[in-house]
Amino acid sequence: AQKVTQAQTEISVVEKEDVTLDCVYETRDTTYYLFWYKQPPSGELVFLIRRNSFDEQNEISGRYSWNFQKSTSSFNFTITASQVVDSAVYFCALRAAGNKLTFGGGTRVLVKP
Amino acid sequence: DTAVSQTPKYLVTQMGNDKSIKCEQNLGHDTMYWYKQDSKKFLKIMFSYNNKELIINETVPNRFSPKSPDKAHLNLHINSLELGDSAVYFCASSQEPLIYTEAFFGQGTRLTVV
Repeated sequence: AQKVTQAQTEISVVEKEDVTLDCVYETRDTTYYLFWYKQPPSGELVFLIRRNSFDEQNEISGRYSWNFQKSTSSFNFTITASQVVDSAVYFCALRAAGNKLTFGGGTRVLVKP
Repeated sequence: DTAVSQTPKYLVTQMGNDKSIKCEQNLGHDTMYWYKQDSKKFLKIMFSYNNKELIINETVPNRFSPKSPDKAHLNLHINSLELGDSAVYFCASSQEPLIYTEAFFGQGTRLTVV
């Protein structure tokens, strides 16, 4: 069975602060992919980043970066120099064999001006 | 240009009614999904179809019946609507069996049962 846990339900920051979102996952599969999605107030779900289970190299893409640690089954996501437009609910998701995309409960990020 | 489109975007209906939500994708993907997002924002998969064949059927009441006339369409029909069915329903598609591909989501249908 797959499970994704996002322990933080809501994070509030002031603009330009960094925000780190935690994600812990469970799966018995050795091959899997992890994703982050963003859901802004308008409601749509937007794909942000993905990482496969064999690549623990951390990356930066613009103001987004992620830290994948297989030893602790964590896939954390950081927004650097947050902006008001970053206010949204962020979902971590896992896909393994069986193709089902399993989501965490989401973390609401509020960036205040 | 919309990749995954759902209609309607909003649906308000009375208890006991039957309603349908339509979904179409123009990405050429083989697999389509229905997800339900409850009031606490929790997203849970309901169904998945691959090339018109049902491959995932989570524990969902029989009142919910998906139908896939072709691989570009996946509709959701709900019979005898209940108050607890109120939620946002998302359609999605992805290119299977490539698990590394992300799922593309429609804009969601907000269903309100009164």
